[in-house]
Amino acid sequence: QVQLVESGGGVVQPGRSLRLSCAASGFTFSSYGMHWVRQAPGKGLEWVAVISYDGSNKYYADSVKGRFTISRDNSKNTLYLQMNSLRAEDTAVYYCAKDRSYYYGSGSYYIPYYYYGMDVWGQGTTVTVSS
Amino acid sequence: EIVLTQSPGTLSLSPGERATLSCRASQSVSSSYLAWYQQKPGQAPRLLIYGASSRATGIPDRFSGSGSGTDFTLTISRLEPEDFAVYYCQQYGSSPPTYTFGQGTKLEIK
Repeated sequence: QVQLVESGGGVVQPGRSLRLSCAASGFTFSSYGMHWVRQAPGKGLEWVAVISYDGSNKYYADSVKGRFTISRDNSKNTLYLQMNSLRAEDTAVYYCAKDRSYYYGSGSYYIPYYYYGMDVWGQGTTVTVSS
Repeated sequence: EIVLTQSPGTLSLSPGERATLSCRASQSVSSSYLAWYQQKPGQAPRLLIYGASSRATGIPDRFSGSGSGTDFTLTISRLEPEDFAVYYCQQYGSSPPTYTFGQGTKLEIK
């Protein structure tokens, strides 16, 4: 069945780094864009980053730009999130999610022919940034 | 940057009643770029609606979406016990791409 499984979360000190992974199965991973979305304790959902199906386009929320890097290895059906210079406010459950949409453009223009939403989600991995 | 404001923050209703949840955008949003999600405690979000009004795969027809421009609505025609959850609207914005969520509406049992 279609599945996303995150791993790599844990407790880390402020300023340190952590890499999250998201293993995909049950669908053609290399055909779809992928997102990271996070949820701080007791708070709502916050989009973090997106990567295109082939890894050529990557975009970030302002809150993580310059600190986080999204990447993927289509040969391993795996999505990654490298998180550097972690802050207390990065404490959250991190979800990976599949984007059903097909996009065109590059650079600042990454536009869906039609936005079908994030149709498959993992169960999340918890990141706690604390000294 | 477009801001999505959901109302009410909490909605208290009984099973069998009709629920109407609102999502208002700070500027006009293409209907094609508006989605709704459901999240139950301890679970990942689930896609309900995309394109403002199209139900995702496996979503019961008691869920419907509508709206355009800056005002969008999620309606649950007759609440089932499993529908009590938090609901989020979300929009795609371009140049550069962003995917903004509303703050959520908690639907609780009265």
